[in-house]
Amino acid sequence: KAGVTQTPRYLIKTRGQQVTLSCSPISGHRSVSWYQQTPGQGLQFLFEYFSETQRNKGNFPGRFSGRQFSNSRSEMNVSTLELGDSALYLCASTSGQIHQETQYFGPGTRLLVL
Amino acid sequence: QKEVEQDPGPLSVPEGAIVSLNCTYSNSAFQYFMWYRQYSRKGPELLMYTYSSGNKEDGRFTAQVDKSSKYISLFIRDSQPSDSATYLCAMSGFGNQGGKLIFGQGTELSVKP
Repeated sequence: KAGVTQTPRYLIKTRGQQVTLSCSPISGHRSVSWYQQTPGQGLQFLFEYFSETQRNKGNFPGRFSGRQFSNSRSEMNVSTLELGDSALYLCASTSGQIHQETQYFGPGTRLLVL
Repeated sequence: QKEVEQDPGPLSVPEGAIVSLNCTYSNSAFQYFMWYRQYSRKGPELLMYTYSSGNKEDGRFTAQVDKSSKYISLFIRDSQPSDSATYLCAMSGFGNQGGKLIFGQGTELSVKP
């Protein structure tokens, strides 16, 4: 079974621009979570989607948004990029069943904001 | 204070040593406990998954959860250079937590040949 895939793997943007990242979960998984990883803050939860609905959201500004499609693929968008948004953005998928909290991560998208 | 505390290391051990990695947490609602391994410039890879208290063993890896002390551990026996990576503990609560995992800062481990 193929793992979680993320595209693109690397991105360079400038301040003020916006960016869209894509995540394809493991086949059959209906829940996709997004995380931001930085050296200073570690891995921080952004949001989670299940069956096209945002089920939970972390403490990030409204510039960070996401969506999920009917095939469970998910995108996250960051508008008005800031230097501090430079990070590794990871998505993880799971079946989404209650008690089934094992999450499988993709390789991440490394975003550099100049 | 962070919900999950983990010593960032770095931790350096000789090949064959037993490695002990630990996390403490403050939220008594946490029920699911995981250990992930992350190699440089890669995504985290799930190593161990434990529900509630107790021990779990998988090959050279043993995970322990002590909910009364809010303390979890990962032991690596006969450590190998290929174990050199960052180890992240993660945990979440019950019910509709919406996939939200709370991670420790990660411990950087180096196993020297």
